Amino acid sequence: DVVMTQTPVSLSVSLGGQVSISCRSSQSLVHINGNTYLSWYLQKPGQSPQLLIYKVSNRFSGISDRFSGSGSGTDFTLKISRVEPDDLGVYYCGQGTQYPRTFGGGTKLELK
Amino acid sequence: EVLLQQSGAELVRPGSSVKISCKASGYTFTDFYLHWVKQRPEQGLVWIGRIHPANGDTVYTEKFKNKATLTADKSSNTAFMQLSSLTSEDSATYFCTRADWFAYWGQGTLVTVSS
Repeated sequence: DVVMTQTPVSLSVSLGGQVSISCRSSQSLVHINGNTYLSWYLQKPGQSPQLLIYKVSNRFSGISDRFSGSGSGTDFTLKISRVEPDDLGVYYCGQGTQYPRTFGGGTKLELK
Repeated sequence: EVLLQQSGAELVRPGSSVKISCKASGYTFTDFYLHWVKQRPEQGLVWIGRIHPANGDTVYTEKFKNKATLTADKSSNTAFMQLSSLTSEDSATYFCTRADWFAYWGQGTLVTVSS
């Protein structure tokens, strides 16, 4: 199975600040078709996860350009700029390249 | 609008089974895989498996091969997950989510296993 490792586990930020979350996979996420199926999700308290970024750097419909994804191979990053109160919650990376699908352990974003 | 509407919370006895549902609307049900994800309280996301509603083809993660059974009913655009031989370790919220990239999620079904 592909192991997804997220760092840090938790992050404190001031409103308006910028943060980065790292996600590393134990194997390359490049599919045989050439695509890299790495996604980012945000789960707010009491809610279902919501998709932010797919295929490394593509923002899902309606997602603010304050969210950006980058990376390749086994090393990926989510950056959030100008943090707003609605950005708080737990962020997960997930891979869709191989079965079984796997997720990182999560990064909790809190206010400083 | 794509919607995944899950069945309500369940309180079940240890050793029993439970079947939860996920009714899809707003898209062609047979065009996309439906996946199931487990989340225990204050813990992360665990992928259980997926079904192709068009033909019933399933893939499971090893840990759930003898625990979960995924089915789909094309006539009602509904996917189901049955969990068997329930223990306290199965107490969790279960989500259905649609491919591609898990862009759409159900609201979750809380299963509590208790005597």
